[in-house]
Formats: sequence, C-alpha cells, structure tokens
Amino acid sequence: DSGVTQTPKHLITATGQRVTLRCSPRSGDLSVYWYQQSLDQGLQFLIQYYNGEERAKGNILERFSAQQFPDLHSELNLSSLELGDSALYFCASSTLQGAEETQYFGPGTRLLVL
Amino acid sequence: EDQVTQSPEALRLQEGESSSLNCSYTVSGLRGLFWYRQDPGKGPEFLFTLYSAGEEKEKERLKATLTKKESFLHITAPKPEDSATYLCAVQAGNNNDMRFGAGTRLTVKP
Repeated sequence: DSGVTQTPKHLITATGQRVTLRCSPRSGDLSVYWYQQSLDQGLQFLIQYYNGEERAKGNILERFSAQQFPDLHSELNLSSLELGDSALYFCASSTLQGAEETQYFGPGTRLLVL
Repeated sequence: EDQVTQSPEALRLQEGESSSLNCSYTVSGLRGLFWYRQDPGKGPEFLFTLYSAGEEKEKERLKATLTKKESFLHITAPKPEDSATYLCAVQAGNNNDMRFGAGTRLTVKP
C-alpha cells in the first residue's frame, strides 16, 4: 500500500458525460501527478501540481482539467467523454528526501466509456 | 520531436542470468530520467530518478546509469519476482513534460 488513495476504483459512463476522479496524496506530500494508461498509447503524463500550483503539463486534452485543493487532494475532471478516453487513470504523489524526489502511485481508477 | 525508445520490447531470462534494459531518448533540456516497474493490473512502482550524465543509482539487484543519449537498467542475478514491465520516462522542456517509453516486459524463469 503506497498510501495514495484514488476514488472511485471503477467508473462506467457514457459518451458525452463528465466525471471527476479524486486523488488523496500521502500525508505530507505536496506534489500530485496525473497519468493516463491505455492499451494503445501506453502510459502518458497529464499534469502535475505542487502545493496547489500547476508545476508541469503534459499531453492533457482541453476537455480535461485538474486542480489541487488546499488540503492537497486533487481532482481530475474529464468532460465530453469519448470512447477513446477509456483507460486507467493513475495519480502519484511525491516527496523530497534530500535532493531526491520519490513518487508513490495510487491503485488507479479504471474508466470505461460506453 | 521528443522521443523515448525502450529496448528490447520483451526479455526472457533464466534466474541468475544478468542483463540490461535500454532507454534511449532525444529531448531538449533533460531535467530527469525516471525508471519504474509495473506489475499487471497495478500502478507503477517508482525505482530511480537520474538527473545528469554519468549518474548511477542502485537498489538491490538493480542499477541505473545515464549518458547524454540513453539510460541502462542493469539487473544482476535476477529472480522470478523481478518479472514485470519496466518503464522509463524523461522529463524535459519548458512545460516539464514527461514522455514515457513503451516499456520492456521482463520474464525471469526459475
């Protein structure tokens, strides 16, 4: 158990809908990353927040948005869902140990868009 | 365009047979190179971050090295429990974007 929690574990929805995925980082971790993993595109980095501020941005669609709240939990909002958005969505939190950053991944949310 | 290529795609080893996995990259302004291990149906497990050419890091039977064009993950005397997919990613550019390779699927036979 990494200490990172993600809810829900599974989500089934229809095209055109909007969903919110939630991530609670490990206690004390200020940084949260979001990733998407699909069979055809592998693991892709979406976005990173650090203490509420956007720190890094990857291949995140305009239909997707994220934020990190004052209590450090993060939400990933996916709207106007398409079949191709079906994937595993992971979040990770990270901590600095000296100069080293170590990431801890959550178990993921499996999204199925029908 | 930034690219990350991992080789081989799949590797089968006998227990105790040491080998290396390769991650080659072409990016501008490398900020870090990351190695992960992922078991089927689970989230990735972070292994190492390397920041500059010449850097090396070790953890149990794994050792990661970095040059200006590639990184190697050396596995010494592997055990069946080392079987997993190993992923590398590079972080670079103004947006600190991270690009992942497709992974190497390692199988270690007893």
